[in-house]
Amino acid sequence: DTGVSQNPRHKITKRGQNVTFRCDPISEHNRLYWYRQTLGQGPEFLTYFQNEAQLEKSRLLSDRFSAERPKGSFSTLEIQRTEQGDSAMYLCASSLGFMQSGANVLTFGAGSRLTVL
Amino acid sequence: DQQVKQNSPSLSVQEGRISILNCDYTNSMFDYFLWYKKYPAEGPTFLISISSIKDKNEDGRFTVFLNKSAKHLSLHIVPSQPGDSAVYFCAARVFNTGGFKTIFGAGTRLFVKA
Repeated sequence: DTGVSQNPRHKITKRGQNVTFRCDPISEHNRLYWYRQTLGQGPEFLTYFQNEAQLEKSRLLSDRFSAERPKGSFSTLEIQRTEQGDSAMYLCASSLGFMQSGANVLTFGAGSRLTVL
Repeated sequence: DQQVKQNSPSLSVQEGRISILNCDYTNSMFDYFLWYKKYPAEGPTFLISISSIKDKNEDGRFTVFLNKSAKHLSLHIVPSQPGDSAVYFCAARVFNTGGFKTIFGAGTRLFVKA
């Protein structure tokens, strides 16, 4: 297993364009998270999947953002009509856990850096 | 609403000495606290965790202390090594109707000087 894989690693786009990021989690992990990180800040929670079900979305996630996890495997994060304020590192993480047991340790990918011109 | 706060953006320590990274939180519903380490161009990696019912957890050179009454935790690294130079994120887990969510602090950049 190669860990959590994110593609593309870098994306430069013009304002108004749509972008899509893909995350391939560790295969046996049932939980998948998307975070956004800007310079000087920690990862900010965006959304969370347990298997294929999207269980929570942050208020940070405007209607321009949509995430899917078909069949509970890989996930995509799409940003429509990008704005300069969307420029950030988008991090995907996965974990394995059931109910409330354990600390729910997250394994992160290296991230996808978005630059909106 | 910053529920996890790391008030020191950076810390510089001499090799071999102790590094102490601090973290404060506001949400009493957090049930686990974690520390992650991040090197440039990589995602954060898990370092150590502590349950809210414990006050100390130790793993090799790393020890995390939790003071629930003060809503404060700290990470001690002893002895510090140059390879420990990285950004350290304090994180806390909360369980709600939507499931699990981990909230991160802004991070503290640690410099260990040789």
